[in-house]
Amino acid sequence: KNQVEQSPQSLIILEGKNCTLQCNYTVSPFSNLRWYKQDTGRGPVSLTIMTFSENTKSNGRYTATLDADTKQSSLHITASQLSDSASYICVVSAETGGFKTIFGAGTRLFVKA
Amino acid sequence: ETGVTQTPRHLVMGMTNKKSLKCEQHLGHNAMYWYKQSAKKPLELMFVYSLEERVENNSVPSRFSPECPNSSHLFLHLHTLQPEDSALYLCASSQERATDTQYFGPGTRLTVL
Repeated sequence: KNQVEQSPQSLIILEGKNCTLQCNYTVSPFSNLRWYKQDTGRGPVSLTIMTFSENTKSNGRYTATLDADTKQSSLHITASQLSDSASYICVVSAETGGFKTIFGAGTRLFVKA
Repeated sequence: ETGVTQTPRHLVMGMTNKKSLKCEQHLGHNAMYWYKQSAKKPLELMFVYSLEERVENNSVPSRFSPECPNSSHLFLHLHTLQPEDSALYLCASSQERATDTQYFGPGTRLTVL
């Protein structure tokens, strides 16, 4: 069964600290993995997208990693800011003749001053 | 702004009402999507249109009826909804179907009384 699991469900950190969010998936055959940021009451916004051959990709203070062998990805946030408070959603796509996109439930991040 | 707009932003309706949600994308994309996001649940894909043709319908009840008159506009017609249909309805678009990055609108917060 194609699944995307994220951990932790929620996380509270102090402003300026670093944090890492995890994503494990069983989606097959793998096509790509994306991380989205979703502010409360707004639509998700793409942060990074990685294909099978990519191990890491950065977008400012956000760095995503991908291990296609273990089917794990992480999103590392450096020097967190209050504006980083949001839900972070891991999304994995599979090539199945058509396509299939599986969304994780997200990690809710709270950055406190 | 992501280039994807949705109206209305908020909607309250009774179970016997008929209403429509509208989505418009200004990005020149060929694929458009409707998602449902309930509290504390992953995004659920409802419908996918590619070049104005519906290519995927994830077992959505018939009380939700999509319409895609052209590649820039997408509607979701609602009738005889249930209280459990209350959720955030998100529209997204991508250059092509399948695995391209999707750009989301701000969503319509729907409450069914």
